Amino acid sequence: QVQLQESGPGLVKPSETLTLTCTVSGASVFDNYWSWFWQPPGKGLEFIGYINLSGHSSYNPSLMSRVTVSLDTSKNQFSLTLTSVTAADTAVYYCARLLRATEVPILYHFLDVWGRGITVTVSS
Amino acid sequence: DIVMTQSPLFLPVTPGEPASISCRSSQSLLRSSGYNYLDWYLQKPGQSPQLLFYLGSHRASGVPDRFSVSGSGTDFTLKISRVEAEDVGVYYCMQAQQAPRTFGPGTKVEIK
Repeated sequence: QVQLQESGPGLVKPSETLTLTCTVSGASVFDNYWSWFWQPPGKGLEFIGYINLSGHSSYNPSLMSRVTVSLDTSKNQFSLTLTSVTAADTAVYYCARLLRATEVPILYHFLDVWGRGITVTVSS
Repeated sequence: DIVMTQSPLFLPVTPGEPASISCRSSQSLLRSSGYNYLDWYLQKPGQSPQLLFYLGSHRASGVPDRFSVSGSGTDFTLKISRVEAEDVGVYYCMQAQQAPRTFGPGTKVEIK
């Protein structure tokens, strides 16, 4: 059974850098894509970014200047780094796997497994 | 970005009764392959989202057949034939047609 678990600080000061880690069990980060999403308080879900082993990555343009998603194959983990955080970055952050659909004749990835989420508050 | 809208945003339901959620996109999600690049997710209270359908109509593993989807292009519908208590939560549609992936605002389903 594939499981994802987010870890990192629950509280970050404004202007600092936030780093979150997602530990993958039951699957290898060598396969598929690995992604991050966030959910600000009382709001819906938003895409942050994803990456795969080949280094193919994609980021939400609204965050692109501040965000990096990276893989650590030795630990079977992937990470999110967000610089210059502000109160607007307060949210629940989720990591998720983008699994390739195998029963269709096209290249398509869907979010099949999500972490439980980690609440991050940006405050001095 | 492709803008996703959903209606209603709040849906009180009676157990055993049907329910329907509409999802619309600002651009067509239908590709020349014939597939709609749209997924549906349910976020139950206090939980992370779970996949219901992908590529428009492909049911995820374990999703009960009381859930069904229809639509193509820019208009889509998720239907629950007979709502059960475990179906409460927020339903999201998400487009994968164009980067970045974007979600609808969510439809909160609650038991009356």
